[in-house]
Amino acid sequence: AQTVTQSQPEMSVQEAETVTLSCTYDTSENNYYLFWYKQPPSRQMILVIRQEAYKQQNATENRFSVNFQKAAKSFSLKISDSQLGDTAMYFCAYSTDSWGKLQFGAGTQVVVTP
Amino acid sequence: SAVISQKPSRDICQRGTSLTIQCQVDSQVTMMFWYRQQPGQSLTLIATANQGSEATYESGFVIDKFPISRPNLTFSTLTVSNMSPEDSSIYLCSVKGQGAILNTEAFFGQGTRLTVV
Repeated sequence: AQTVTQSQPEMSVQEAETVTLSCTYDTSENNYYLFWYKQPPSRQMILVIRQEAYKQQNATENRFSVNFQKAAKSFSLKISDSQLGDTAMYFCAYSTDSWGKLQFGAGTQVVVTP
Repeated sequence: SAVISQKPSRDICQRGTSLTIQCQVDSQVTMMFWYRQQPGQSLTLIATANQGSEATYESGFVIDKFPISRPNLTFSTLTVSNMSPEDSSIYLCSVKGQGAILNTEAFFGQGTRLTVV
């Protein structure tokens, strides 16, 4: 069975600074998809960034980038130039297929302070 | 992207009663997913709803407790039956995106916050 582990319950960062969230996963599959979702207090799940396992290049989306280490089964998220609106719960998620069925980590609460 | 509307957005229910949550999508989708998010916890998949067939439930979830309907390709309901305080959670509907780029992305409704008293 696949598992997704986020070992940081909460991270605090000052505005304009950089924060890195860790995520590790366990799988025997060779092809899969990894995601970071953001859940602000509104409860809406928002996709931050996605990574296909067959792609060696790390995904980047504006201020958000990932460090994907397939051999180590690690998928960390870096938030650069943090903004107050980045305050949210961040979930790492894994999918072994393209059907949309996801397995989530426990989440990391990110608090951006002025 | 897919726009998903969930109703109700929140509700407070008496124990022993049932609540039906509706999920409407603005486009036709093959599969719809129902997740539960217990207070302070992550999301856990309850079941996958396919149009025209019985829903597929994950381990720990049963049809008698969480019956699901999927009458067409844009709509699904999840019922939480015979509720107890332990059912107090956020329930989220999700669909897979369509198209070559979006088909690896899941879209979510805004969730239904259920409180059982």
